[in-house]
Amino acid sequence: QTVVTQEPSLTVSPGGTVTLTCASSTGTVSSGSYPNWFQQKPGQAPRPLIFSTSNKYSWTPARFSGSLLGGKAALTLSDVQPEDEAEYYCLLYSDGAQPWVFGGGTKLTVL
Amino acid sequence: QVLLVGSGGGVVQPGGSLRLSCAASGFPFSDYAMHWVRQAPGKGLEWVTFIHFNGNNKIYADSVKGRFTVSRDNSKNTVYLQLSNLRLEDTAVYYCAKNRGGSLGLDYWGQGTLVTVSS
Repeated sequence: QTVVTQEPSLTVSPGGTVTLTCASSTGTVSSGSYPNWFQQKPGQAPRPLIFSTSNKYSWTPARFSGSLLGGKAALTLSDVQPEDEAEYYCLLYSDGAQPWVFGGGTKLTVL
Repeated sequence: QVLLVGSGGGVVQPGGSLRLSCAASGFPFSDYAMHWVRQAPGKGLEWVTFIHFNGNNKIYADSVKGRFTVSRDNSKNTVYLQLSNLRLEDTAVYYCAKNRGGSLGLDYWGQGTLVTVSS
């Protein structure tokens, strides 16, 4: 079964830039994995941010962007705000018996 | 606007059963596949199951295969998750989520319903 790996934790200063990554145990993450990114704050349901690698929802702040970087999916936050402190999860799709797999999450601290 | 309201959670003994419901509104429910995702206390998200828009195709995570059953009633705009032979490790918040289309992802989520398996 595919294992999806994210950084367990990252710290960024307000106004800074940070990149979160999402790797697959099967190899290179491609657009065919349709990477999704979600933000989750304590006690809340996950909030979708990015779908299909780099597409934003109408509610996604402009400072969030998705891409493919070095064989991984990536979520870059620019001009980080205090309210961006949250857990971030990626989701990858693959053709197989277990099509959707979440990464373990990255706890982003804004300090 | 799109709204997904989950219900049916509660406390159940190991080996017991429970049925979760997710009532949808604000979009043409019968045109979209649906997912269930769960989150154990203090843990990450785990994809559980997918049901095609017409209910003809269902896929399950290995961890629940043979114990959980997903279904939908398009006349009631509701998707269900029948949980059987529950284990302690099934304790989690269960979220229903709308499929965006194809394999594009999950674009709207319910508020979640808590299932606690405890003796």
